[in-house]
Amino acid sequence: AQSVTQLGSHVSVSEGALVLLRCNYSSSVPPYLFWYVQYPNQGLQLLLKYTTGATLVKGINGFEAEFKKSETSFHLTKPSAHMSDAAEYFCAVVGGSNYKLTFGKGTLLTVNP
Amino acid sequence: EAEVAQSPRYKITEKSQAVAFWCDPISGHATLYWYRQILGQGPELLVQFQDESVVDDSQLPKDRFSAERLKGVDSTLKIQPAELGDSAMYLCASAPRGSNYNNEQFFGPGTRLTVL
Repeated sequence: AQSVTQLGSHVSVSEGALVLLRCNYSSSVPPYLFWYVQYPNQGLQLLLKYTTGATLVKGINGFEAEFKKSETSFHLTKPSAHMSDAAEYFCAVVGGSNYKLTFGKGTLLTVNP
Repeated sequence: EAEVAQSPRYKITEKSQAVAFWCDPISGHATLYWYRQILGQGPELLVQFQDESVVDDSQLPKDRFSAERLKGVDSTLKIQPAELGDSAMYLCASAPRGSNYNNEQFFGPGTRLTVL
């Protein structure tokens, strides 16, 4: 069975600062990893995904994540935070015969002016 | 741009009443998911359809929850009777036919249910 742990339920950064949201996973099969963003009272939007190949994955809105198998991590970063990045971010792993998504508990990102 | 539609967006009901949520996936998407998201947590899968067939309903509380996708297009999730603990966001997502580990699931805006 697969699982996801997101370290830090709440991260606060200043506008222009580095954003780092941490995600560790557990999977019995090669992992397929996703980051989704959720704005208040909205559904989830895909930021980026890792399947195979290059371990540094670039997504929308300037976000990127690096798959590190040795550390079982898939941390999300953005060099410079913008006010519009304030949202909740979910890391997820796919597994099982029905390609079921298992989500972490989420990290709420606030951006201070 | 194609989107997953859900209605209603908000629902307030009293304990023991029946509620129903509707989802219309992106046209042509064969796979449909219903998730429940409790405040402060990530979404958890309730039920997955492939066309009109249920693929996974292992986490669906079948004593009070039911889901159907009769024609393999839109879907309805019902709760009867609603309990206080059912207060949550209910999200619908869809994915193309032949979905595998690579495929993105497209999420609707959700229905926020409050049970009083």
